[in-house]
Amino acid sequence: DAGVTQSPTHLIKTRGQQVTLRCSPKSGHDTVSWYQQALGQGPQFIFQYYEEEERQRGNFPDRFSGHQFPNYSSELNVNALLLGDSALYLCASSLAGRRDTEAFFGQGTRLTVV
Amino acid sequence: GDSVTQMEGPVTLSEEAFLTINCTYTATGYPSLFWYVQYPGEGLQLLLKATKADDKGSNKGFEATYRKETTSFHLEKGSVQVSDSAVYFCALRVGTGTASKLTFGTGTRLQVTL
Repeated sequence: DAGVTQSPTHLIKTRGQQVTLRCSPKSGHDTVSWYQQALGQGPQFIFQYYEEEERQRGNFPDRFSGHQFPNYSSELNVNALLLGDSALYLCASSLAGRRDTEAFFGQGTRLTVV
Repeated sequence: GDSVTQMEGPVTLSEEAFLTINCTYTATGYPSLFWYVQYPGEGLQLLLKATKADDKGSNKGFEATYRKETTSFHLEKGSVQVSDSAVYFCALRVGTGTASKLTFGTGTRLQVTL
């Protein structure tokens, strides 16, 4: 049973460019959340997708957008990249509607903006 | 809003020493509480969880008890090993299903030496 898979694992972009990160959830999961983890910090919630809609959003600008596909996979898009967007981006999948649901994390995409 | 406060690291211990990592929280509702572990270059793995007051989560020799009266969820292990060296994150989640983001602390780095 494959867990959460993210691609690519590493990425280097130039300031002002756009980037797309991808996530496939664990089999059987229907909810995908994205987190940004800056160096030496805890993960910060970006947004969550369920039934192909954004359900909750953290304190991130509109440059951060996402999408969920019918097969539950998801993309995170970041426009007009800033140096401060350099971070590890983590995807987590879970099953909606259960108080004891466990979020499974992927290994992340390391984004470096130069 | 919701928040998690962890003790600052790094924590350096000799093998077989006793470990405590303090975690306190503030939540707008009745949270579920989690400890995640992150090994170098990897994503987050769930270590243990507790969903109601006085519950004790345990896994791999680690334990934490949900203390509602002190809003705490301290992580303990009786005898640490070199392989326990990692970053540990305390987290909470309020609600279930589609509005159930995780809120993380800043993490505590543990280094265990021989």
